[in-house]
Amino acid sequence: EDQVTQSPEALRLQEGESSSLNCSYTVSGLRGLFWYRQDPGKGPEFLFTLYSAGEEKEKERLKATLTKKESFLHITAPKPEDSATYLCAVQAENNAGNMLTFGGGTRLMVKP
Amino acid sequence: DSGVTQTPKHLITATGQRVTLRCSPRSGDLSVYWYQQSLDQGLQFLIQYYNGEERAKGNILERFSAQQFPDLHSELNLSSLELGDSALYFCASTVGGTGELFFGEGSRLTVL
Repeated sequence: EDQVTQSPEALRLQEGESSSLNCSYTVSGLRGLFWYRQDPGKGPEFLFTLYSAGEEKEKERLKATLTKKESFLHITAPKPEDSATYLCAVQAENNAGNMLTFGGGTRLMVKP
Repeated sequence: DSGVTQTPKHLITATGQRVTLRCSPRSGDLSVYWYQQSLDQGLQFLIQYYNGEERAKGNILERFSAQQFPDLHSELNLSSLELGDSALYFCASTVGGTGELFFGEGSRLTVL
């Protein structure tokens, strides 16, 4: 069974204080690892796809990296508008429906 | 705006009742996914349809059913509702097998 574990559950940062969010996964053949951002009362919004170990993707203050067992979402000099819940998900190779298995998320709060 | 429309946004009903949630996917998207999000369970995959046919099933209860119509909109039917069914129900769509899902804003169901 595919499993995704995210840590920490919640993270409070001061504006400008860089940090990383962790996503550990177990999957029988990884087709892709995905990061989403979810604002309160909204649906998740796609951020990144990573396909193989060593791959990195960047978007503004966010950088996602992937190893064979985990992914990190690095946040550099965060701003209050980066406050949200960040979700990690995996898609398995043997997945007929291509559905995603999500982790529990990390709730990020950035204070000015 | 993701282009995915869900109705109703909020629904309050009583135990034992039946409700229908509706989803209109992005124009051109053939795949529709239904997810349930509760505080203690995170985002849980329920069911997926592709071009009118069921493609994959997750931990969907027998009291729940779904279908995708020829115009590609989808409906999730929840019956014999219990207090524990209170949650946010999200619909997401994508063109094919990509894990880049476009989520609607969800339907918040409260069962009293």
